[in-house]
Amino acid sequence: DVKVTQSSRYLVKRTGEKVFLECVQDMDHENMFWYRQDPGLGLRLIYFSYDVKMKEKGDIPEGYSVSREKKERFSLILESASTNQTSMYLCASSLAPYEQYFGPGTRLTVT
Amino acid sequence: LAKTTQPISMDSYEGQEVNITCSHNNIATNDYITWYQQFPSQGPRFIIQGYKTKVTNEVASLFIPADRKSSTLSLPRVSLSDTAVYYCLVGPSGTYKYIFGTGTRLKVLA
Repeated sequence: DVKVTQSSRYLVKRTGEKVFLECVQDMDHENMFWYRQDPGLGLRLIYFSYDVKMKEKGDIPEGYSVSREKKERFSLILESASTNQTSMYLCASSLAPYEQYFGPGTRLTVT
Repeated sequence: LAKTTQPISMDSYEGQEVNITCSHNNIATNDYITWYQQFPSQGPRFIIQGYKTKVTNEVASLFIPADRKSSTLSLPRVSLSDTAVYYCLVGPSGTYKYIFGTGTRLKVLA
């Protein structure tokens, strides 16, 4: 069974803090993704990575950066958290072009 | 980047067949069409994937016409537990590139 784990289920941070969201997959998948999900807006792609150290911008990359130093780990970084980044963050991995496996999500609140 | 288009919501009764259509006019030659199901407070879960014609698995069928500009997810004999949001996703290349649409909220009524 593919397992995608995210470092926290719930996170509360203050405005201006640097925030790291970590995602780890155990199936040697080449692709990894970060999405955010907000009510009424569905899932929106922030960044994805198709190989170590490779990344591509998704639909809403502004205010975010990513890091993929090892194949199994994909980090999402909020350089200076803002209240409009309060959201559910979902990580996924896949063996391109096949199904994505999603983690349980991190609900981030920025106050 | 483009988004796929689906109906926002649908209602159905238990035991009925439900068909949800997704429009993806600009699909690229090497794109696949994948459908996901999502329950509240959970990540999406894979249902079915196809490239062309018809694909069937134990939970659903996927119909893709020859021009591949749309696709239809068919859920046979739905139950209350099928109440969820359903997303189609087109990728990995072209203008859709892993961009989810807003999904279809299916409500199954007793």
